[in-house]
Amino acid sequence: DVKVTQSSRYLVKRTGEKVFLECVQDMDHENMFWYRQDPGLGLRLIYFSYDVKMKEKGDIPEGYSVSREKKERFSLILESASTNQTSMYLCASSPTLRALRYEQYFGPGTRLTVT
Amino acid sequence: DQQVKQNSPSLSVQEGRISILNCDYTNSMFDYFLWYKKYPAEGPTFLISISSIKDKNEDGRFTVFLNKSAKHLSLHIVPSQPGDSAVYFCAAREGGSEKLVFGKGTKLTVNP
Repeated sequence: DVKVTQSSRYLVKRTGEKVFLECVQDMDHENMFWYRQDPGLGLRLIYFSYDVKMKEKGDIPEGYSVSREKKERFSLILESASTNQTSMYLCASSPTLRALRYEQYFGPGTRLTVT
Repeated sequence: DQQVKQNSPSLSVQEGRISILNCDYTNSMFDYFLWYKKYPAEGPTFLISISSIKDKNEDGRFTVFLNKSAKHLSLHIVPSQPGDSAVYFCAAREGGSEKLVFGKGTKLTVNP
């Protein structure tokens, strides 16, 4: 069974703190993604990684960075959290295009509140 | 510029009736389309997909229709059940890309 896990379901941080969101997948997928979901805005891609140590900016990368040191793990880093980064953060993974399967599998999400 | 549009933020239907969720797209390079379902405080789950070479795909109570000339797809749920109440996201993939482009979602409420 496909499994994507995220380190925390709920997180409360203060403005200016450095925040780490961790994501692990057990499907040996090459691709991993970080999205944020906000009411009325849908899912917006923050960063994407298609291989270990490889990353690509998504639509809203400002204020975020990522790290992928191992294939199964993809971390999202908020260098200095701000209140406008309060959101639901969703991690996803998918196999490479060669698998001819394009579904992304999502974790349960982390509800981050920055006060 | 939104490439995938779900123009109805919400939809309410009676249990047992048909739910029709709509999605429009602007990018003619999209070759694969997906629907996801999301409950509150959970991640989206994959529901059904369709390749651009087809015009219909069916899986149980769920059917997706694709009209390429109109750049329009729809998800039909028959019969609708209260457990179908969720936010539904339409997504599309551009040929050769590893990424998906998501719509903003439609909140479906199925009333008992």
